[in-house]
Amino acid sequence: DTGVSQNPRHKITKRGQNVTFRCDPISEHNRLYWYRQTLGQGPEFLTYFQNEAQLEKSRLLSDRFSAERPKGSFSTLEIQRTEQGDSAMYLCASSPTGLVDTEAFFGQGTRLTVV
Amino acid sequence: KQEVTQIPAALSVPEGENLVLNCSFTDSAIYNLQWFRQDPGKGLTSLLLIQSSQREQTSGRLNASLDKSSGRSTLYIAASQPGDSATYLCAVITGGGNKLTFGTGTQLKVEL
Repeated sequence: DTGVSQNPRHKITKRGQNVTFRCDPISEHNRLYWYRQTLGQGPEFLTYFQNEAQLEKSRLLSDRFSAERPKGSFSTLEIQRTEQGDSAMYLCASSPTGLVDTEAFFGQGTRLTVV
Repeated sequence: KQEVTQIPAALSVPEGENLVLNCSFTDSAIYNLQWFRQDPGKGLTSLLLIQSSQREQTSGRLNASLDKSSGRSTLYIAASQPGDSATYLCAVITGGGNKLTFGTGTQLKVEL
């Protein structure tokens, strides 16, 4: 297992278009997270899955955002009708379930630029 | 609401110097604390995880300490090298789901 994988690494899109990102977590990790990071800031939580169930969504996740994790494996994050304010790095992470061993591992991120 | 603060925001040191990065959090009821490194335009690399019952963790030249009661953690880097130049982020887990709340990071530059 080579860790968390995200595709694409970079995406440039015109305002109003839809985009979809993919994340493949570490295979034995039940939990998968999406975060968003803007320049000069720390990542902010968007949503997370335990297996295929989406258990929490941040208020940052507007109605234009949707995430799925079919069969509890890879996950997709879709943004509809993109806006310039959506430009950011979108980070995916995975971790084991539990309160003790919670170490999260991140992918390389998808850099979205909306023009 | 948990808030995480990192001081300083930026730091420049000569090669070989020992340094300390600081992280503070407002809600001491944390599960764990994790330190990450981020290179420009890249994802996050996990450096150290400190469980709430632990006071410190070490990995190579890195040592992280945790004082839950005072809401503080420090990351100590010994004998800094130019390759250590990066942004260092701390994050805490306080709620269910093990989601992370991040600070804004300390941008470190180690000069030759």
